[in-house]
Order: sequence, then structure tokens, then C-alpha cells
Amino acid sequence: QVQLVQSGAEVKKPGASVKVSCKTSGYTLSGYYMHWVRQAPGQGLEWMGWINPNSGGTNYAQKFQDRVTMTWDTSISTAYMELSRLRSDDTAVYYCARLHSGRYSDYWGQGTLVTVSS
Amino acid sequence: QSVLTQPPSVSGAPGQRVTVSCTGSSSNIGAGYDVHWYQQLPGTAPKLLIYGNSNRPSGVPDRFSGSKSGTSASLAISGLQAEDEAEYYCQSYDSSLSGSVFGGGTKLTVL
Repeated sequence: QVQLVQSGAEVKKPGASVKVSCKTSGYTLSGYYMHWVRQAPGQGLEWMGWINPNSGGTNYAQKFQDRVTMTWDTSISTAYMELSRLRSDDTAVYYCARLHSGRYSDYWGQGTLVTVSS
Repeated sequence: QSVLTQPPSVSGAPGQRVTVSCTGSSSNIGAGYDVHWYQQLPGTAPKLLIYGNSNRPSGVPDRFSGSKSGTSASLAISGLQAEDEAEYYCQSYDSSLSGSVFGGGTKLTVL
């Protein structure tokens, strides 16, 4: 069965970077992009961008364009999302989500809590 | 401020029917892009509820239905059950932003 398993919670200081991983299993990578979505405490879902595992091509939300890097290691079927120059308002749960037919997310990771605090 | 607008909350008694609206614009829903709905129970990841405006994934009860018209979409939940109490989000694509957009979420309370 399809599974997306994310790395554990992180605590970072302002200005630092964080790299969240999302290990996939149970499906053929090449057929699906991967979304990254975040959710601040008590807030709604916010799309950050997607990555094409075939080409490594990315599409980032304008808000994160200069701070986010999404990558993929096909040898271990794992996607990564790195966010730099962290601020306190980056405190959120970060989700990876498989993008079906380029339109909707049919499987989600369990989420990774990133806390930014001095 | 979300690109897609949802009411912050809706409520209904067990057995009743409720609807959640999702209003967009000419660059997203009105441009013909599909709307998808997710259910998020407290402390869990979102779960796909409706895709392509009105399609239910396997395992989603037929009490849940979706529709789209013009620049808006709706999620209807009939025969409300206590377990339906959750946050509901709509999602689409926006051509101006060249990316996915979510609604702000609607909290459903079962009275």
C-alpha cells in the first residue's frame, strides 16, 4: 500500500535551516509529483510547492521562492523540503502529499512539526 | 487571506444535511480548474474526500458529495454523524499564481 513517512519533529533557532524528508513506498515514483503543504498552529493549509521526481523540476509558491528547496533522491524514494532563514512564523506542521494526475493529493505524510524558537 | 473563500464554521444536528461553500475567481474555479475537498480530523493529516469536483475516492461514504458552478463549489454532507466533526478544506489551481490554492477551512460542528 502507498505510504509516505516523514522525518521527526525539529526545533530550530531563527535564521537556521531545516530539511524535512518524506520516504515513499508502495507505488511507482515516476507517475506522481509531490506537493509540500504546511499548517501553522490553529491555521489552514498553505501550499508551498511541488517537485517532479522524474526531472527534478520544481514549482514553488511565490512566498517561499527564495527560501525553499525541494529535492528528490530516487535511489531511496525519498523527497526532501529544505526551508532556510527560518523565522518564528515558520513554526508549523509540514506535510508531503502525493499529487495525483497533477491535480489533487490522494496520500499524505503524517506531518513534521518544525518549531522555530530562540 | 486565502484565495478561495470558505465560511469559518458550519453546524448541524445528527441526521441533518449541511453544505460548505468555496468561492473563488476567474483565475481558479471560474477558469475551469477542478475543486477538491479534504477532511482533517484534529491532530491528523488531511484526507482526500472529493476529487475532480464531485468524485469520491474509494471508501468515502456517499453521504459526502461535491458540486461546482461558475466561480464556486460546494461540499454537501447528508445524514450528519458525530464522526463528521472536522475541518474541511477546498483546493484548486490558480493560473495567476501558477500553483495550488486552498480555502481557509471550515470547521463543522455536529450539535
